[in-house]
Amino acid sequence: DAKTTQPPSMDCAEGRAANLPCNHSTISGNEYVYWYRQIHSQGPQYIIHGLKNNETNEMASLIITEDRKSSTLILPHATLRDTAVYYCIVRLDSWGKLQFGAGTQVVVTP
Amino acid sequence: DAGVIQSPRHEVTEMGQEVTLRCKPISGHNSLFWYRQTMMRGLELLIYFNNNVPIDDSGMPEDRFSAKMPNASFSTLKIQPSEPRDSAVYFCASTRVTGAPFSVKNIQYFGAGTRLSVL
Repeated sequence: DAKTTQPPSMDCAEGRAANLPCNHSTISGNEYVYWYRQIHSQGPQYIIHGLKNNETNEMASLIITEDRKSSTLILPHATLRDTAVYYCIVRLDSWGKLQFGAGTQVVVTP
Repeated sequence: DAGVIQSPRHEVTEMGQEVTLRCKPISGHNSLFWYRQTMMRGLELLIYFNNNVPIDDSGMPEDRFSAKMPNASFSTLKIQPSEPRDSAVYFCASTRVTGAPFSVKNIQYFGAGTRLSVL
């Protein structure tokens, strides 16, 4: 099963872009990379996912390296409400099982 | 849609008592997941169902824990007897998994959680 490695924490200034790295060097060819976040006292929230190509939605952008061994989640204009724990996850099976690691605690400061 | 609904939001009980947590998944979803979150262990998957059938319960800590999904719109997680180490936030999530393997989208929608305190 592919595992992910993320920095435990990072700070970001409000209005600036936040770039969250994730390593998943053992990912297999058909495994997707998912990003979720968890704001304090709430359930995790889906952000974005991808397989090979870069992806963008209204919340964020996902950049996946060509060898797929790492990815970066980009929050283009961080706001205080983006303060949360961000989880990078590689899906484990076709039934949808996800394994959450420790994630990255992102603190957005004014 | 109201999203995934969990009840109760908070539960305080005494050691040895039975605790039942409830979850109503999003209508039309066919997979349901129970997670537990603690400071020490983070977010752990306990069990998940597909079409009301348990697929993987390897995360269930011990026989004191049991989960059921009698129909597509309701699931319970029961702890009997409860112990102080069961204190945690329990989340339920649902998604729609198609028959195709590694279906493109697997967005799990989480409920607000049940904060359980066992004294």
